[in-house]
Amino acid sequence: ELKVEQNPLFLSMQEGKNYTIYCNYSTTSDRLYWYRQDPGKSLESLFVLLSNGAVKQEGRLMASLDTKARLSTLHITAAVHDLSATYFCAVDGYGGSQGNLIFGKGTKLSVKP
Amino acid sequence: EAGVAQSPRYKIIEKRQSVAFWCNPISGHATLYWYQQILGQGPKLLIQFQNNGVVDDSQLPKDRFSAERLKGVDSTLKIQPAKLEDSAVYLCASSPRGHQNTEAFFGQGTRLTVV
Repeated sequence: ELKVEQNPLFLSMQEGKNYTIYCNYSTTSDRLYWYRQDPGKSLESLFVLLSNGAVKQEGRLMASLDTKARLSTLHITAAVHDLSATYFCAVDGYGGSQGNLIFGKGTKLSVKP
Repeated sequence: EAGVAQSPRYKIIEKRQSVAFWCNPISGHATLYWYQQILGQGPKLLIQFQNNGVVDDSQLPKDRFSAERLKGVDSTLKIQPAKLEDSAVYLCASSPRGHQNTEAFFGQGTRLTVV
């Protein structure tokens, strides 16, 4: 059974601090997606990582993918309150073919002043 | 560009009643997905359409859930009869063609409460 595990599931951090969210998955997929979800809102795409070693950055967020380790990380630099949300990683259910997404349980991030 | 539209936004029904959700994907997107998101969990795929054909419905509880995508555009998801455990947010998403090198775009969802 394909599994996508995120940790931590809850993260409370202070503004200005750095932290990393981890996403482990059990398939051989070489595509990984990060989404953000605000309370009561839908999912917003953050990053699409398409190959081993891929690294993408947007503002204070940086995502990377290691397909050999089946691990992706989402690094937060100098957190600000606006980053408070739930972050999901997801992989292709069919190992990269034209398939659906399997999501992790999400990491609920709370950034406090 | 208009996003994925869903309606209604909220629905409260009693168990054993029926309910239907509607989704209008982004124009030109061939692939449409219905996901179920239970509180505190990640979304789980229920069904995937490519144009008006079903690609994957392996996780759709077919004894009570049904979905269709007539003419390969809009889609409806129906639950009949509803159970308490069906309380969740039902998300519709679309992508230009599967997930090859692109991400899916999600609607705002329909929050269903079964009492």
